Amino acid sequence: AQKVTQAQTEISVVEKEDVTLDCVYETRDTTYYLFWYKQPPSGELVFLIRRNSFDEQNEISGRYSWNFQKSTSSFNFTITASQVVDSAVYFCALSEGDFYGGSQGNLIFGKGTKLSVKP
Amino acid sequence: EPEVTQTPSHQVTQMGQEVILRCVPISNHLYFYWYRQILGQKVEFLVSFYNNEISEKSEIFDDQFSVERPDGSNFTLKIRSTKLEDSAMYFCASNSRVGTEAFFGQGTRLTVV
Repeated sequence: AQKVTQAQTEISVVEKEDVTLDCVYETRDTTYYLFWYKQPPSGELVFLIRRNSFDEQNEISGRYSWNFQKSTSSFNFTITASQVVDSAVYFCALSEGDFYGGSQGNLIFGKGTKLSVKP
Repeated sequence: EPEVTQTPSHQVTQMGQEVILRCVPISNHLYFYWYRQILGQKVEFLVSFYNNEISEKSEIFDDQFSVERPDGSNFTLKIRSTKLEDSAMYFCASNSRVGTEAFFGQGTRLTVV
């Protein structure tokens, strides 16, 4: 069965600290996609990154970086030099399979990690 | 930049009343979804819609829920007889193909009293 686990419920850091948000997933499919979304206090869901199961390259985008490791079924997200504006709930999500395998692309979300960055 | 729009942003309804939540997905997208987020909890999948029919639904999506794409642009979620536990944020999303980024609307906060 598919599942996404974000074990960290809440993290609090001081501005400029680095912080890593953990995500562990379970799936039987060999083709799948992993996502991170940010939900600021205003409530909308903001897409951050997408990775497919065949691409284990880590990615860096400004202060954000992602570490995808199939061997440990993890897709962790690091914010370097955190800022107050990074305060939000961060969701990791999984989408299984592809259209030809019958997938409809719906997302399975983790419970989210609430990040508070204090000045 | 294209976006998914949802109306209303907030709706208050009496228990037992019917509500219709509206969404306008991105125009060239083919897959449409509804998700629900009870306050403080995770985002849960309700239903997916492709080729003018429901393609997948979760256990939450029982007989009181229905979806429609009545005119090729709007995508609606109807709750026939609302219950207190239906109070939640409802998100509409769309994407162009399976596995690509899903674009979410800003959500409709439904409060059942």
